[in-house]
Amino acid sequence: EAQVTQNPRYLITVTGKKLTVTCSQNMNHEYMSWYRQDPGLGLRQIYYSMNVEVTDKGDVPEGYKVSRKEKRNFPLILESPSPNQTSLYFCASSRESNEKLFFGSGTQLSVL
Amino acid sequence: GDSVTQMEGPVTLSEEAFLTINCTYTATGYPSLFWYVQYPGEGLQLLLKATKADDKGSNKGFEATYRKETTSFHLEKGSVQVSDSAVYFCALTIKAAGNKLTFGGGTRVLVKP
Repeated sequence: EAQVTQNPRYLITVTGKKLTVTCSQNMNHEYMSWYRQDPGLGLRQIYYSMNVEVTDKGDVPEGYKVSRKEKRNFPLILESPSPNQTSLYFCASSRESNEKLFFGSGTQLSVL
Repeated sequence: GDSVTQMEGPVTLSEEAFLTINCTYTATGYPSLFWYVQYPGEGLQLLLKATKADDKGSNKGFEATYRKETTSFHLEKGSVQVSDSAVYFCALTIKAAGNKLTFGGGTRVLVKP
């Protein structure tokens, strides 16, 4: 089954404790992206990747890192999480960047 | 920069009512336009898309027409069902601008039996 898998689904952590949210897709997609969803703000893009070893900043990259060492994986790293990063995070992928996006089920992160 | 504006919700309707969700955009280039739907507890799914002016996207009884002259992409459905209750997002992407997908704020729709 074609899918985007992100883990964990829920995460509660404390300020400053490094964490990684994993994202994997099994569709051989070139394009992958991370979004955060906040009430009233819709989805805002954090980082995106056009292909392996190619990543670029989205609208709200501060406080986040990503890597794209393999085509299928695109982890989101928070080196020192802060409470304003409490949000619902989505990973997405597509064959090309202007085509249909496939979304993961989301990661609800709470930073205390 | 590029932006998408859609009507604020929640929109509450009765079953079989007509639904319209307005969406307008500003873009520096020639965008492709999308509607995504998010059902409770799930990620977003593509509902429909249109890639050039006057194109009509349609799926599951929903339609939207790409209107370049009014920079709009309004979503419509003639007869909604309870299962259409969800959050709907209008979005655009511009290939020449690195293909960044820009979303509107989302419109929550609640359909009552």
